[in-house]
Amino acid sequence: AQRVTQPEKLLSVFKGAPVELKCNYSYSGSPELFWYVQYSRQRLQLLLRHISRESIKGFTADLNKGETSFHLKKPFAQEEDSAMYYCALRSYNTDKLIFGTGTRLQVFP
Amino acid sequence: SAVISQKPSRDICQRGTSLTIQCQVDSQVTMMFWYRQQPGQSLTLIATANQGSEATYESGFVIDKFPISRPNLTFSTLTVSNMSPEDSSIYLCSAGGTRTGEAFFGQGTRLTVV
Repeated sequence: AQRVTQPEKLLSVFKGAPVELKCNYSYSGSPELFWYVQYSRQRLQLLLRHISRESIKGFTADLNKGETSFHLKKPFAQEEDSAMYYCALRSYNTDKLIFGTGTRLQVFP
Repeated sequence: SAVISQKPSRDICQRGTSLTIQCQVDSQVTMMFWYRQQPGQSLTLIATANQGSEATYESGFVIDKFPISRPNLTFSTLTVSNMSPEDSSIYLCSAGGTRTGEAFFGQGTRLTVV
């Protein structure tokens, strides 16, 4: 079965501290993994996707097929990073997204 | 990119009634989806809205409870029928089918059933 697991509901750090939001997935084929973010009072939007291997707002995520993980990392958190982060999986040849339960990141000054 | 307008943004409804949520996309999109986000929980896919044919429902969701229309490539509606307090949730419209795989979301409809 396809599944996305985000073990942490809440992650609190101080500004300038490193951040790692964990995401593990279960999928038998070749998945596409995404991180979506929802800032306060804004709609859900794409942060980054594994196939582009890009860094967005200082965030990176590497797909580790051996560990079936797609953790989101940032070396130095900023207050404006405070938001709800969702890891999502899209199965090959469909556009359906399966979301994890989300992690709320709080960055304190 | 695609900009999605969803309405109403919120509503308070009496149990036993129905509410229709509208979703308008500013460009033609292949795929449209409806999600539910219950308090403190993740987004759960209700169904894929297929243009010109019946929607494809996920396990646990049925057409009688959540009828969906998709008359063209830019518009869809979701009806929540015979509502009960358990239907209180945020309902989200999404458009996909892009080359990059990115999905776009409406701002959501916050439904409260009393």
